[in-house]
Amino acid sequence: AQSVAQPEDQVNVAEGNPLTVKCTYSVSGNPYLFWYVQYPNRGLQFLLKYITGDNLVKGSYGFEAEFNKSQTSFHLKKPSALVSDSALYFCAVRDMGYQKVTFGIGTKLQVIP
Amino acid sequence: NAGVMQNPRHLVRRRGQEARLRCSPMKGHSHVYWYRQLPEEGLKFMVYLQKENIIDESGMPKERFSAEFPKEGPSILRIQQVVRGDSAAYFCASSLTGTGDSPLHFGNGTRLTVT
Repeated sequence: AQSVAQPEDQVNVAEGNPLTVKCTYSVSGNPYLFWYVQYPNRGLQFLLKYITGDNLVKGSYGFEAEFNKSQTSFHLKKPSALVSDSALYFCAVRDMGYQKVTFGIGTKLQVIP
Repeated sequence: NAGVMQNPRHLVRRRGQEARLRCSPMKGHSHVYWYRQLPEEGLKFMVYLQKENIIDESGMPKERFSAEFPKEGPSILRIQQVVRGDSAAYFCASSLTGTGDSPLHFGNGTRLTVT
């Protein structure tokens, strides 16, 4: 079985400060990891993915994520938050060889001007 | 290049009626996934289909819910005899392949309200 945990319901950060949104995962094999963002009344948009290789993955809109195998984590980061980054962020995992994608419960990011 | 198209965007049904939700995947995508989103519960997997085949329906309720993805036309999620608890946002996603590194592309969802 595969699962994802996003331990924070909400993250508040001041505009211009760095942000981190946490994610941990559980899989039986090697993971494929993803981050998505959802704006109100919209579908999820793909931000970035980790497949293999470099543990630091860069994605859209200046976001990046760090894969840590020993801690089974895949935290989303951005060096300088924008008010327009305020949205709901989902971490997702797919076990290698498995087709279903499992999503976390989501973390609401609020960037304060 | 059109993305994933879902219709209708909003659907209101009375208890006991049927709801039909449609999803046209991105051009060239033959893998379709349906998810249900409820506040405080995140995104719950329902079913994964390829053209004409249901691959994984482990998230589908055993009764009243069905899904199809015919050779021609959109994928359909069908809910019979709707109840208030079916009120939710239903999202469809498609991918180019069904393998690990292929990201899902989502539609804007259908918001079902059961009165």
